[in-house]
Formats: sequence, structure tokens, C-alpha cells
Amino acid sequence: KQEVTQIPAALSVPEGENLVLNCSFTDSAIYNLQWFRQDPGKGLTSLLLIQSSQREQTSGRLNASLDKSSGRSTLYIAASQPGDSATYLCAAGNTPLVFGKGTRLSVIA
Amino acid sequence: GAVVSQHPSWVICKSGTSVKIECRSLDFQATTMFWYRQFPKQSLMLMATSNEGSKATYEQGVEKDKFLINHASLTLSTLTVTSAHPEDSSFYICSASPRDKTQYFGPGTRLLVL
Repeated sequence: KQEVTQIPAALSVPEGENLVLNCSFTDSAIYNLQWFRQDPGKGLTSLLLIQSSQREQTSGRLNASLDKSSGRSTLYIAASQPGDSATYLCAAGNTPLVFGKGTRLSVIA
Repeated sequence: GAVVSQHPSWVICKSGTSVKIECRSLDFQATTMFWYRQFPKQSLMLMATSNEGSKATYEQGVEKDKFLINHASLTLSTLTVTSAHPEDSSFYICSASPRDKTQYFGPGTRLLVL
């Protein structure tokens, strides 16, 4: 059964820092991996989707990598801003997606 | 494209009543729909998977007689919480998947049972 782990559980950084969020999964036979953002009390915002055949995806200041062989993905956020403060969820699987518990990010101005 | 809607976005009900939540894929046909539940400060947990025209498959620990799922068409799935109790208060999120298996998520429904 797929299990997804996210480290760290919480992270607080000053504005402008580059940061990395980590995600690991136990079953490498995934269809895709997605990173989501969730603001308090809100739904999910899809940030990046990496198909199993891909190694990374980029969108603006965000870059996500995927290493299926080691069961790991990272989300890199460049030049963090206070507006980036949210919970970031990693989800992996073969449909349905299995979610990690998330990393709560606070970017301090 | 690939928009999924949920209705209502939030609902408050009395204990013992039933609540129906709708999930619609607006611009694609969803062969499979999924229902997740998220308790405060927790992650999303899959409740059930439904394929159009067939019975839903429930995850272990989810009562199928309490959480009724109907997937009557390729664009609509409903989740009915029967005889709701305060412990059913949660954030319910659906997702829909076309044949390419990518999941598209709805905005969620917040349920509060008093």
C-alpha cells in the first residue's frame, strides 16, 4: 500500500530565501506525482504535476523533481514571498492519489 | 479546461439529518470519481472510488451504509452522509478522472454537524 511522507512538517523562513520541501513514497510504480498548495480553510490548488516518465517540472519560481527509483520528490521554491505561506501537499499514486500530511510553510516578511 | 465543481461549498445541519454533496466535471467526462475527507490539520484520506454505472468501492473503515455514493452519469457523482453526527464534520473533496487517469479536484465542501 502506497505511503507518502513529507518532511519537514513545518517550516518558517525569512522572505527571499530559497527552500526545498521533501516528499518520499514507498511504491515507485506511480502514474504521476502532484504538488498542491492548500490555504487555511480552502481547497487544493494544483501547482505541478510530474508524469512518471518525467524527471522535473517548472512553473515560475517553483521547480519539482521526481526520482522514482529512490521514491523521492522535491519542491524547490525560489525567492520565497509571504504570499507563499500555505500548506504544501505531495500526492503520489496510480489513481487514486495518496497524499502526504503536508508541510506548513510560513514566510516571514 | 478540466474543471470540477462541488455543491454546496459549505453546509451546516442538525445531528441525525442527511446531507447530499454533488461533484460535477464541467468540461470532461469522468470515468472515475473519488471522494476524500480531510479533518482539521490532517491530510486528505480517500473514502471511496466510484466508476460510472457501478457500485462504489469503499476504503477500509468507511461505512458504505453511512456514506452513500452514486455515480449515475459521466459528469456527476453524489455523496450522501446519512444520519450525520458531529464526528462527521469535515472537509469533503471530490476528484474526477478522465481516461488519462489524471485527477482533477473540486473546491471542497465543508460540513458542520451540530
